[in-house]
Amino acid sequence: SYVLTQPPSVSVAPGQTARITCGGNNIGSKSVHWYQQKPGQAPVLVVYDDSDRPSGIPERFSGSNSGNTATLTISRVEAGDEADYYCQVWDSSSDHYVFGTGTKVTVL
Amino acid sequence: EVQLVQSGAEVKKPGESLKISCKGSGYSFSNYWIGWVRQTPDKGLEWMGVIYPGDSDTRYSPSFKGLVTISADKSISTAFLQWSSLKASDTAMYYCARRGATMEWSDPWGQGTLVTVSS
Repeated sequence: SYVLTQPPSVSVAPGQTARITCGGNNIGSKSVHWYQQKPGQAPVLVVYDDSDRPSGIPERFSGSNSGNTATLTISRVEAGDEADYYCQVWDSSSDHYVFGTGTKVTVL
Repeated sequence: EVQLVQSGAEVKKPGESLKISCKGSGYSFSNYWIGWVRQTPDKGLEWMGVIYPGDSDTRYSPSFKGLVTISADKSISTAFLQWSSLKASDTAMYYCARRGATMEWSDPWGQGTLVTVSS
């Protein structure tokens, strides 16, 4: 089965840029979606189709995808961005979602 | 506003049955797939399966097929996840989520239902 690997944690100072990677075999050929999950809350979609943002998501959240790595970038990080972030792809042949292992973003 | 509201937390004993719910509002419930996701500290987010309320077409992840039953009642805009015989290993947070029109991602998600199975 398809595996998505994320770093367990990323630390970033306020105002700086956080980059969260999602590794998978030839992931660049798939569409990648990203969810933010704050403590005690449900996941929220922050980027879909590699780089699009749902309405209401700040422009500070952006995404890219190429080769074997997709990246979620959070610019001008704020304390409120502290959360777990998960990448996700869709296996159309089995109609199955695959989630990444998750990355905890800590704002220093 | 599109919203999914799940039923409350449950505490059950091993061997008991359980059915949790997910009620949609603010959109045409019949026309969007609803998926279920399990979350545990050990395994993170796991896709369990999905249902199309319009015709009850249901698809299960191989990891969960035969272990749970997904259903929906479009007349009350509600999807369900049920177990016939719970195990301690079913202890987890369960989320429902509405799939997007392209099927590839899900938004929004319900608030989650915590299921605890303990003797």
